Amino acid sequence: AQSVTQLGSHVSVSEGALVLLRCNYSSSVPPYLFWYVQYPNQGLQLLLKYTSAATLVKGINGFEAEFKKSETSFHLTKPSAHMSDAAEYFCAVTKPPPTGNQFYFGTGTSLTVIP
Amino acid sequence: DTAVSQTPKYLVTQMGNDKSIKCEQNLGHDTMYWYKQDSKKFLKIMFSYNNKELIINETVPNRFSPKSPDKAHLNLHINSLELGDSAVYFCASSQTSIHTGELFFGEGSRLTVL
Repeated sequence: AQSVTQLGSHVSVSEGALVLLRCNYSSSVPPYLFWYVQYPNQGLQLLLKYTSAATLVKGINGFEAEFKKSETSFHLTKPSAHMSDAAEYFCAVTKPPPTGNQFYFGTGTSLTVIP
Repeated sequence: DTAVSQTPKYLVTQMGNDKSIKCEQNLGHDTMYWYKQDSKKFLKIMFSYNNKELIINETVPNRFSPKSPDKAHLNLHINSLELGDSAVYFCASSQTSIHTGELFFGEGSRLTVL
């Protein structure tokens, strides 16, 4: 069975400060991992993904995440928060193709950026 | 050109009514999904179709019936609406046979049952 756990349902950071959103996964096979962002009243948009290539993955809007197998983690970071980063962030896990039909989402982390 | 489009974006209806939400994807993907997002933002998979065949059917009341006329469309029909059905419903698609395989989401359909 696969699952992800996002620690911290709400995270607040000051503008310009480091953003760190935590995600730990559980998977019986080498996983594919994703971070999605949801802005208010919008659908989910892919930020970045890990698909068993480089363990440090760079995404859009200056975000990156590092796959750490020993810690079963895939934490999302951004060196300097911007007001426009305020949104809901979801971590997700799936199996690699061709069996990756089922995506398991975490419960989400709401990021607030304080001016 | 929208990749995954859902209609309508907003639905307000009375308890007991029947409603449908339509979804279309123009990405050529082989798999489509319906997700329900509740007021706490929790995302729950409801159904998944691969090439028009139902492959995931989570514990969802029988009042919810998906239909996939072709692999580019996945519609959701809900009978006898209840207050607890109020949520945002997201359609998504993916190509499960290739390396990347991420989900592409529609903008969501906000259903309010009064």
